[in-house]
Amino acid sequence: EAGVVQSPRYKIIEKKQPVAFWCNPISGHNTLYWYRQNLGQGPELLIRYENEEAVDDSQLPKDRFSAERLKGVDSTLKIQPAELGDSAVYLCASKGNTEAFFGQGTRLTVV
Amino acid sequence: DQQVKQNSPSLSVQEGRISILNCDYTNSMFDYFLWYKKYPAEGPTFLISISSIKDKNEDGRFTVFLNKSAKHLSLHIVPSQPGDSAVYFCAAGKSSGDKLTFGTGTRLAVRP
Repeated sequence: EAGVVQSPRYKIIEKKQPVAFWCNPISGHNTLYWYRQNLGQGPELLIRYENEEAVDDSQLPKDRFSAERLKGVDSTLKIQPAELGDSAVYLCASKGNTEAFFGQGTRLTVV
Repeated sequence: DQQVKQNSPSLSVQEGRISILNCDYTNSMFDYFLWYKKYPAEGPTFLISISSIKDKNEDGRFTVFLNKSAKHLSLHIVPSQPGDSAVYFCAAGKSSGDKLTFGTGTRLAVRP
């Protein structure tokens, strides 16, 4: 069974530029999460989807971050414009009936 | 407000001995707890979980203990192997499907 697939693996951009991350969850998983992990910290939730509905986006900085999950499958997370403090690993996870499975993450560096 | 705390940033253990990783939480509404293992440049990998109705769950070399009154859980790895060297994250949630709140991780090094 394929796991959670994220792309790109790495991204380096200049500040004020836009960036987008893509996630393909495990087939059949209705719940999808985007987490951000800063260096030396644990992952922190940005947004949670149940199918195509964002049920928890309270931690998403809505002035610059946006996310969508069209058709309740793949999801994209966008930052526009990026700031230096956005440098982190962005993790996507999906969940069926049991535990959440994580992708490999996208390491974003804003310079 | 750190609701899930892993107070030991690192731990070093001799191969074959027991590794004990600790985790404390403050939110009494958490009823589901998990341990994830993370290798460099990879996403966290699920290791073992426990619900609040249990105080112990065992899976091979890995055992998780939950002490609800103390709001404390621990992960025991025995015997420890060099391949267990990774960062271990404790996570907690309020209900199945809810978000997970993670600790800051403990880096385990198992010496040959």
